[in-house]
Amino acid sequence: DAKTTQPPSMDCAEGRAANLPCNHSTISGNEYVYWYRQIHSQGPQYIIHGLKNNETNEMASLIITEDRKSSTLILPHATLRDTAVYYCIVRFRDDKIIFGKGTRLHILP
Amino acid sequence: NAGVTQTPKFQVLKTGQSMTLQCAQDMNHNSMYWYRQDPGMGLRLIYYSASEGTTDKGEVPNGYNVSRLNKREFSLRLESAAPSQTSVYFCASSDRSYNSPLHFGNGTRLTVT
Repeated sequence: DAKTTQPPSMDCAEGRAANLPCNHSTISGNEYVYWYRQIHSQGPQYIIHGLKNNETNEMASLIITEDRKSSTLILPHATLRDTAVYYCIVRFRDDKIIFGKGTRLHILP
Repeated sequence: NAGVTQTPKFQVLKTGQSMTLQCAQDMNHNSMYWYRQDPGMGLRLIYYSASEGTTDKGEVPNGYNVSRLNKREFSLRLESAAPSQTSVYFCASSDRSYNSPLHFGNGTRLTVT
């Protein structure tokens, strides 16, 4: 089973920040949290990843709690093109990378 | 730089037929993966290869075989296709490091009738 838990769907108004939560309570000390998104049936696209510090890139910000048991992906100004399924995963030490069902994000005009 | 290339893009098989899905990456990555995605579902790991010469089962390996031909190529074989194997198949690759993202191909859409 996936080691992460995400809400199945969320709505966000266009232009507002989209905050997508993820629980990973069994994460180990050297495992990174990764976020990907999948638009329609395309291959998933990498967004951002982090270990313990907050991270930001041109696409999004990643906030990881101090105990590392949960994280939040922030899309600062959501657009209709951000409508997608967002996956939060933890990279295991044996390279077995398991995806859960993700969060389907709907951006409302 | 092509990234991860999957062939074919589309395939229709009859039950019992066999086929091989091909995947190649040009990023010198050590690890390669095969996932399947059924309609409305998330990705499920079929097999993965952490390095050339090694392969391991994922979540749903039954009905599939894999070959890590060399560092670039990782193929997925269906020996006797079944309608339950109708799915979109994605190949991915990454460096063998926790600090390395997956790069995905565009998928192979397989229908088994």
